[in-house]
Amino acid sequence: DTAVSQTPKYLVTQMGNDKSIKCEQNLGHDTMYWYKQDSKKFLKIMFSYNNKELIINETVPNRFSPKSPDKAHLNLHINSLELGDSAVYFCASSQTGPISYGYTFGSGTRLTVV
Amino acid sequence: QKEVEQNSGPLSVPEGAIASLNCTYSDRVSQSFFWYRQYSGKSPELIMSIYSNGDKEDGRFTAQLNKASQYVSLLIRDSQPSDSATYLCAVQGGSEKLVFGKGTKLTVNP
Repeated sequence: DTAVSQTPKYLVTQMGNDKSIKCEQNLGHDTMYWYKQDSKKFLKIMFSYNNKELIINETVPNRFSPKSPDKAHLNLHINSLELGDSAVYFCASSQTGPISYGYTFGSGTRLTVV
Repeated sequence: QKEVEQNSGPLSVPEGAIASLNCTYSDRVSQSFFWYRQYSGKSPELIMSIYSNGDKEDGRFTAQLNKASQYVSLLIRDSQPSDSATYLCAVQGGSEKLVFGKGTKLTVNP
């Protein structure tokens, strides 16, 4: 199936730990994103990569570090997790061009920091 | 200053009625406009896109765009209980960044 897939779907961890979330897309898109959705359901962009190059880096603590080994993969590593990091993290992808067709989202990773 | 604003609702309509969802945006150079539907515990799903002024219809959904007023709306005709979800307005400007509103929660009552 063509899709954006994220792992893990759920992540429960203690404060201070380091964790990673992985994302892969097989849609042939050239741009991938990380979004954070807080408890109030507000979706906010964190990072964007185009062909492995970082193009959007919003105001995000430097404990968050994205990494794109190739244009089909975008991972998110989070150091020293804090309670406020608890949220749902969505990966998305799109194809750049003269017309935008919107993003395709992965199923999300629900991160709970205890 | 908020970039994309939506009435957070909740909006409640009876089955068979028309649901009207509204969105305003601040960036005048915005070029692409989208409506996403998000069921509870699920990911956002693209349901409509619109790029030029006027109406665009797809089945029971109609998107309306007025760039002069910086206003986008979504009409859902013959609303069904399965339409109950949060609807997210998203706007894309010169960059590839898609900016979302906070969403409007719609409940369709049988």
